[in-house]
Amino acid sequence: DSGVTQTPKHLITATGQRVTLRCSPRSGDLSVYWYQQSLDQGLQFLIQYYNGEERAKGNILERFSAQQFPDLHSELNLSSLELGDSALYFCASSVRDRGFEQYFGPGTRLTVT
Amino acid sequence: GEDVEQSLFLSVREGDSSVINCTYTDSSSTYLYWYKQEPGAGLQLLTYIFSNMDMKQDQRLTVLLNKKDKHLSLRIADTQTGDSAIYFCAEIGFSGGYNKLIFGAGTRLAVHP
Repeated sequence: DSGVTQTPKHLITATGQRVTLRCSPRSGDLSVYWYQQSLDQGLQFLIQYYNGEERAKGNILERFSAQQFPDLHSELNLSSLELGDSALYFCASSVRDRGFEQYFGPGTRLTVT
Repeated sequence: GEDVEQSLFLSVREGDSSVINCTYTDSSSTYLYWYKQEPGAGLQLLTYIFSNMDMKQDQRLTVLLNKKDKHLSLRIADTQTGDSAIYFCAEIGFSGGYNKLIFGAGTRLAVHP
């Protein structure tokens, strides 16, 4: 158990819908990272927040957004969902913003039908 | 460019040693990582090595780094059925002023009796 929690574990929704994925980092970690794991793209970095502020953006679509709250939990919002958005979404956390040791949550499996 | 390559599949007999190989392209990578993903689970940070080291040993795990050839390997001694999983090699890439983890496609390790 890494100490990073994610909810929900599974999510099934229809195309065009919007969903919110939630992540709680390890106690004491200030950085949260979001990754997408799909069969065709592999593991891809989406976005990083550090102590409430966006720090870095990776291959994140404009339809996706995230935020980190004062209690350091983070939410990833996915809107106008398409079939190709079906994937495992992982959250990771680290103590500092450099991300040298990232600990991953169990992931949320999103299925878009 | 940033790229991490791994062979996709490895099959070993229980009790033998497993060696999983990885090549990376970013010569400025400061840390290189091995993550393990069991079915239906998140990524578990197994070990990592700093780029100025050649070798790191942690119980049954040995990481070898050949910086000249940009080659990283993970050796698992006395491989057990519980080691069956997908193993991801990752490097820290520095791009746009921030560090991000760049993952390989993963090597599926199958351990048979």
